Amino acid sequence: QVQLVESGGGVVQPGGSLRLSCAASGFTFSSYGMHWVRQAPGKGLEWVAFIRYDGSNKYYADSVKGRFTISRDNSKNTLYLQMNSLRAEDTAVYYCAKDWLGSVDYWGQGTLVTVSS
Amino acid sequence: AIRMTQSPSSLSASTGDRVTITCRASQGISSYLAWYQQKPGKAPKLLIYAASTLQSGVPSRFSGSGSGTDFTLTISCLQSEDFATYYCQQYYSYPHTFGQGTKLEIK
Repeated sequence: QVQLVESGGGVVQPGGSLRLSCAASGFTFSSYGMHWVRQAPGKGLEWVAFIRYDGSNKYYADSVKGRFTISRDNSKNTLYLQMNSLRAEDTAVYYCAKDWLGSVDYWGQGTLVTVSS
Repeated sequence: AIRMTQSPSSLSASTGDRVTITCRASQGISSYLAWYQQKPGKAPKLLIYAASTLQSGVPSRFSGSGSGTDFTLTISCLQSEDFATYYCQQYYSYPHTFGQGTKLEIK
């Protein structure tokens, strides 16, 4: 069965950096695009970034463009999100998600990132 | 970015009711629309993609319709497990965007 397990969340000061990882299993990781989606406490869903199956194209929300970088290592079945210049408004649960024809058919359990001094 | 607007933002209904949630896109998105259900403390679950295609394993009481700018999610006979928050999402163009959510509560 498909499993997506995020890690790397935690508390970081404003201006700091954090790298999230997502270990994928149960499907052919190298054949699917992958997304990051976040949800601030008590708020709705916000799409963050997408990477194509082969890493050839990447797309970002305007709110994170230039600060966040999505990447993947198909040899390790792992998705990453490098987050720099973090702000209080980046505080959220970050979900790793598998693409299905543009939508998302599988989600991880999420990892909480808290940006606070 | 394409803006997605859901209505209502919240809705009270009873088990057995038929409910409809609406999602409107700020520009045409063809049928590139998905619906998700989210329960507190859980990850979202895909219900419908391509505006009207039911995801595998999702009960047939859920249905979706629409194209262009106006879409609906209908639950034909509410069950207790359906009380949750529902989101639409467009994937016609990047950045993909979600609606603000509709919270379905028990009356």
